[in-house]
Amino acid sequence: DAGITQSPRYKITETGRQVTLMCHQTWSHSYMFWYRQDLGHGLRLIYYSAAADITDKGEVPDGYVVSRSKTENFPLTLESATRSQTSVYFCASRRGTGANEKLFFGSGTQLSVL
Amino acid sequence: AQRVTQPEKLLSVFKGAPVELKCNYSYSGSPELFWYVQYSRQRLQLLLRHISRESIKGFTADLNKGETSFHLKKPFAQEEDSAMYYCALSGTGNQFYFGTGTSLTVIP
Repeated sequence: DAGITQSPRYKITETGRQVTLMCHQTWSHSYMFWYRQDLGHGLRLIYYSAAADITDKGEVPDGYVVSRSKTENFPLTLESATRSQTSVYFCASRRGTGANEKLFFGSGTQLSVL
Repeated sequence: AQRVTQPEKLLSVFKGAPVELKCNYSYSGSPELFWYVQYSRQRLQLLLRHISRESIKGFTADLNKGETSFHLKKPFAQEEDSAMYYCALSGTGNQFYFGTGTSLTVIP
């Protein structure tokens, strides 16, 4: 679904640098999520947001910061990148609840920290 | 705490054979359960949700609250079913938790 886009698609950075991954959705969904995908761990929730200016920690928030000043944007920042943060990052937004509940995913950002 | 467990990282079946991808969950409330799929070079997408009791692409999944399981089944696997499958849980805290995923390969 083109309604949720992530950038950049690929990123290489060095240990200690700050990196920001962008996520933009066009549906005005309230809930947005950031996951990292690693072999053997599957998808792990980093942070999520219920609305603009409302964010909360997920399972693995350490080393990450998020903000949500506008409903459509949910950037994820690695304040001081470490090699353990090499991963594929997925942003998602949620539509509806109950029977209509569905997550829409971006195409992912492949991040390598050298 | 691991809320969603998928015991098989890799699963291979022959075309036409039945397939079952296992999922067990741990949650004290009443979760919503889902299966998401990621085909090669495509985005993660919803396959089916337990509340709809639907069959998508021949797949079904029954929620067994006694065994806390939500296994995904298909009677006759097709080559196009080869993909990564994730079991997911949505809890009362509005968080979505995923399992570790099962990579399914259907052998021609």
